[in-house]
This record gives sequence, structure tokens and C-alpha cells, in this order.
Amino acid sequence: DIQMTQSPSSLSAAVGDRVTITCQASHDISNHLNWYQQKAGRAPNLLIYDASNLEAGVPPRFSGSGSGTAFSLTIRGLQPEDIATYYCQQYENVPITFGQGTRLDSK
Amino acid sequence: EVQLLDSGGGLVQPGGSLRLSCAASGFTFRNYAMSWVRQAPGKGLEWVSAISGSGDSTYYADSVKGRFTISRDNSNNTLYLQMNSLRAEDTAVYYCARSTCGGDCFHLVYWGQGTLVTVSS
Repeated sequence: DIQMTQSPSSLSAAVGDRVTITCQASHDISNHLNWYQQKAGRAPNLLIYDASNLEAGVPPRFSGSGSGTAFSLTIRGLQPEDIATYYCQQYENVPITFGQGTRLDSK
Repeated sequence: EVQLLDSGGGLVQPGGSLRLSCAASGFTFRNYAMSWVRQAPGKGLEWVSAISGSGDSTYYADSVKGRFTISRDNSNNTLYLQMNSLRAEDTAVYYCARSTCGGDCFHLVYWGQGTLVTVSS
């Protein structure tokens, strides 16, 4: 199975900050990576697909980059509504696997 | 509007069975692969199973292989997850989710609201 490791596990940031979350894959997954946002008590929401493509309706302050084994999600100009937990997900191989999540809190 | 309505969760004893359903509307159901993803209380997301749009291909996580069966009824726009030999570690909120294509794609773009399964004596 492909292991996905996110860092940090949690972080605190202020409104307006730039936030970067990284995701490391245990094997080369090309660009077969998605990012999801999950707010408390809600279902996840797809933000970024194929490592760097913004899903329709997602604000442009979100961006993704990377390929192979190293990936990142960046939020430029953090907004209060961005407080959530973020997950990466690989779909290079079955079983599909998620990172353990990064909890983003307000500073 | 795409809607996915999860149901069928509840309290079940270890070793018991439960069948989850996901009623879909707002899109041509047979054209899209579907998945089940679960989340144990206070934990992260775990992919459980997926099925192609036609139902010909199915995929499972090792943790549920041989105990869970995914299926779909394309005439009634419903996804199912039959869960047998349930264990305490299967306790979670189970979400159904829709992919962006009918085959091997796992961009989970629409999600149900989730249904809670609790395995306990």
C-alpha cells in the first residue's frame, strides 16, 4: 500500500497568513493526488485534483503543487472560513489512501 | 443538483451485519463510479470500497476485504454496502461519494452526509 504522510499534523495561523501543508508519498504517484477540506461535523470537500488543478467553485487562494512523492497545498491569505482539517489522497494505486490530516486552527 | 443520501447506520453487536444505502439524485447514476469512505470518531478518513459505474469492477481496502460487499442498483440509483462480521474497529461514520467518471477514477467530488455505524455489545 502507498503511505501518505502529511506535515504538520496541526498548525495555528492568523487571518491573512500564508499556510503550506505538505504531503509525502511512500512511492512515486506521478500527479495522482487530491486535496480535501473537512470542516467540523461536515463531509469532506474536494479542493484540488491531479495535484494542482483547482476544483470548480474553490477560491483561488488555494493552490496545489508537486509530483512524484512530494506535494504541497498552499492557502494565500487565510480566511476565517478556512479553519478545517485538510487531507491529501493518492489514487495511483488501490487501495486508495489518505494522509492522516492536518488540523488548521485560528491563532 | 447532485444529492447523495446515506442511510442504514445504527448500533450492531460484534459479529453482526448491516447494510448501508446511498440514494443518488440529480445526475445519471450509471455514468459514475462510487465509493464508500469512513471516519472513526475523532480520526481521519479511510477509503473502504469503490465500484465502477457499470458495477463490473469493485475494489476494497484490505481491512474489509471478505467481510464487506459493495454493489449498486442502477435502475434505482442506489449504492449499497453490505457489512458482515462487524468488529468494534468498524465503528465510524460512513460516507458515500461520487467520482468524476465511470471507471477507475477516485476524485471524490460529491459526498453524502454520512451515516453512523456503531459496533458494540
